[in-house]
Formats: sequence, structure tokens, C-alpha cells
Amino acid sequence: ETGVTQTPRHLVMGMTNKKSLKCEQHLGHNAMYWYKQSAKKPLELMFVYSLEERVENNSVPSRFSPECPNSSHLFLHLHTLQPEDSALYLCASSQDRNSGELFFGEGSRLTVL
Amino acid sequence: GENVEQHPSTLSVQEGDSAVIKCTYSDSASNYFPWYKQELGKRPQLIIDIRSNVGEKKDQRIAVTLNKTAKHFSLHITETQPEDSAVYFCAENFGNEKLTFGTGTRLTIIP
Repeated sequence: ETGVTQTPRHLVMGMTNKKSLKCEQHLGHNAMYWYKQSAKKPLELMFVYSLEERVENNSVPSRFSPECPNSSHLFLHLHTLQPEDSALYLCASSQDRNSGELFFGEGSRLTVL
Repeated sequence: GENVEQHPSTLSVQEGDSAVIKCTYSDSASNYFPWYKQELGKRPQLIIDIRSNVGEKKDQRIAVTLNKTAKHFSLHITETQPEDSAVYFCAENFGNEKLTFGTGTRLTIIP
């Protein structure tokens, strides 16, 4: 499979649950990103990893915890979320952190009850 | 960049007519301006981008223009087709990894 793939595509969780979102890129890119997409709001950058090192943490609450075990995989661990965290979470990758074009995954639609 | 304003939020255009979406930015150091298209239920995809050393770039039916003095850039789609219906996002940055996105424009092409 090519491109950027995300699992699961849909996730419903309670506020006390712990779950993880997974992203995998097959493009040989060195940078990976997590974005949050909410209705009628701009895409919000959450985290940036470059060569497996976190280079950006955009004031994201600690209930979101990223992990990048290697340059092809990125996780977003979720715990004790709030209903307002319900959104589409998009993973993206780029050749390098300053290379411009982002390649997005299809997203994980998260609903917090 | 700190802030990007995008207008209009919704746009309906008769098939075959042109569509224009405009974004304004505040950081004069911004030097990269991409446009992304997101079809319903799909991922955002880059359709065209421009860097600050040029004023216009064209790719078939789509073009982007940049006015650095006024700090605005626009997406132009000519001879619109039904498959152009989507949400379009502008973005900007100044050479780092932090793209700042606009709020999006939902474009509907009326057959």
C-alpha cells in the first residue's frame, strides 16, 4: 500500500477510556505530523516529528500523547478525553520538515461521549 | 505565520463559470502559500502552491496569484466542473514546518 494510512478510521470512546490512533507512511518521508480538524475551524497543528524527534508541540493538552518509534510510524495516544476533543484527526508526512507539500492520511474520526 | 483569513466560506458557481477564493495573511515574512482541496470524506490534497519570489502560477484550469504588498493570495478556477466541488484550504508559512491554514471555502458547482 502506498501513501499515508491511518487506523482506525472511526473511533468512539468514553471519557475514561484509553485508545490510540495509528499512522503509517510508505513514502520514505522524514517528517510526520498530527493535525486536528474541527467543523468551521482551521486545521490545527498538534505535533511535528522530524527524523523521529519531536520538534513541535503546539500547546496540546497532555491527554494527547504522541509517539514516533521510527520514521514510518506515528501514534497518538488518547486518555481521559473531553467531548470537545471530538474531531477528525489527520496524520500527514513530508519529505523533510521544511519541504512544503504535506501528504495527508484519510483521517481518524473520533467521537468522545 | 500567525493568522490567515479566507473568504468566502461558501461559494456556489454555475458549471463552466470561474471561481475565486481569497486569503489574507499578516506575517510579512511568509514565503510559501499552498492550496489544498478536500473532497467530502477524503483527505486534503495539495493542488497548487506558490512561493514569494513569483506573482502568479498556473496549472491547467487552476491558478494562484500573490500580492505581497497587500499580503493576499487567491485561487482561481476557470471552466469549473462538478468534480471541482470540495472544500478548499489556503495556508502559509515562512520556511518552517508550521503551516497556518485558513478556515476553508466550500465550493459547490451547480450543473
